Amino acid sequence: GAVVSQHPSRVICKSGTSVKIECRSLDFQATTMFWYRQFPKQSLMLMATSNEGSKATYEQGVEKDKFLINHASLTLSTLTVTSAHPEDSSFYICSARRQHNEQFFGPGTRLTVL
Amino acid sequence: EDKVVQSPLSLVVHEGDTVTLNCSYEVTNFRSLLWYKQEKKAPTFLFMLTSSGIEKKSGRLSSILDKKELFSILNITATQTGDSAVYLCAVALSNQFYFGTGTSLTVIP
Repeated sequence: GAVVSQHPSRVICKSGTSVKIECRSLDFQATTMFWYRQFPKQSLMLMATSNEGSKATYEQGVEKDKFLINHASLTLSTLTVTSAHPEDSSFYICSARRQHNEQFFGPGTRLTVL
Repeated sequence: EDKVVQSPLSLVVHEGDTVTLNCSYEVTNFRSLLWYKQEKKAPTFLFMLTSSGIEKKSGRLSSILDKKELFSILNITATQTGDSAVYLCAVALSNQFYFGTGTSLTVIP
């Protein structure tokens, strides 16, 4: 089956620093990638939809200047959390959509901001 | 290699039918298994299972985990058209999630 990877899997950083998370589709080209935030025992919260070669579409309430998304190629999207604060600590999960609307999820990145 | 497999891939039933969705897994350092319902945008949390044999229930939905045989089932009784969605299973490790590819359920009136 299709594989989506995320890197890093876990990151710990100091408050005020920026963190970049990569999401790659390893064996297919993904025209659309999604970024989610996962809180314990809660639904995945969609943050933004990323289309290759165009600006990301952010969900209401998500600051686009704080969560920078770049979808540079059909296999790579990056999420940069700028000036991270402890309240940004969470699991960030990406998914990639293949043709026929198949969606494949990455394993997530656990961000801890001290 | 860790993996999560859901079956069937898709299912079409009539309103009122009962369905059983399956999720099997092979992972190391298992922490919990989660079920989600995805309609349009983000998956909605349904259940989190950590212990074997204890059924979790919410309305017409119920789920149980078997940690010996490494699988979970999600049951939906008296299905309604509003149950039409993709149902995702995910296994949580200490620092990662492994998602299945989902079961697409269509409930016909």
